Amino acid sequence: KAGVTQTPRYLIKTRGQQVTLSCSPISGHRSVSWYQQTPGQGLQFLFEYFSETQRNKGNFPGRFSGRQFSNSRSEMNVSTLELGDSALYLCASSLAGTGVNEQFFGPGTRLTVL
Amino acid sequence: AQSVTQLGSHVSVSEGALVLLRCNYSSSVPPYLFWYVQYPNQGLQLLLKYTSAATLVKGINGFEAEFKKSETSFHLTKPSAHMSDAAEYFCAVSVDAGGATNKLIFGTGTLLAVQP
Repeated sequence: KAGVTQTPRYLIKTRGQQVTLSCSPISGHRSVSWYQQTPGQGLQFLFEYFSETQRNKGNFPGRFSGRQFSNSRSEMNVSTLELGDSALYLCASSLAGTGVNEQFFGPGTRLTVL
Repeated sequence: AQSVTQLGSHVSVSEGALVLLRCNYSSSVPPYLFWYVQYPNQGLQLLLKYTSAATLVKGINGFEAEFKKSETSFHLTKPSAHMSDAAEYFCAVSVDAGGATNKLIFGTGTLLAVQP
């Protein structure tokens, strides 16, 4: 079974631009979560989507948004990029929503903002 | 609110020595706890999880962890370190054991170095 895939793996943008990251979950997984990882703040939860609905959101500004499609693939978008948005963005997928489900992480997208 | 604290951002052991990585949790409800490992330039891989079935949890690659409610701890151990264990390890707690969300709260991580 294929794992979680994230594209692109590396991205370089300049301040003020916007970026879209993509995540394809494991087949059959309906929950997709996004995390931001930085040396200073560590791993922080961005948001979670389940059956195309955002059901939880972390403490990030509105410039960070996401969505989930009917095939469970998810995208996150960051508008008006800032230097501090440079990070590794990790996507995780898991099975249906009840109970505590194991999350499977993708390799991440490394975003560098210049 | 749930949280986890990892004591020691860097731990160094000799190959063959015991590995002990510390994690303490704070939770107002019975917690679900996890240990993840991250190798350079990779995502997170689940080592093991505690979901109240047994206090001693065995995971992959010879790792295990013991849930101690009285100490609010979930330390990760491995009897004999291998060079391939060098990585960063994260303890995490599930925000909602009821399943309304899969959100995890992570500790700050412990970077494990294994010396030959």
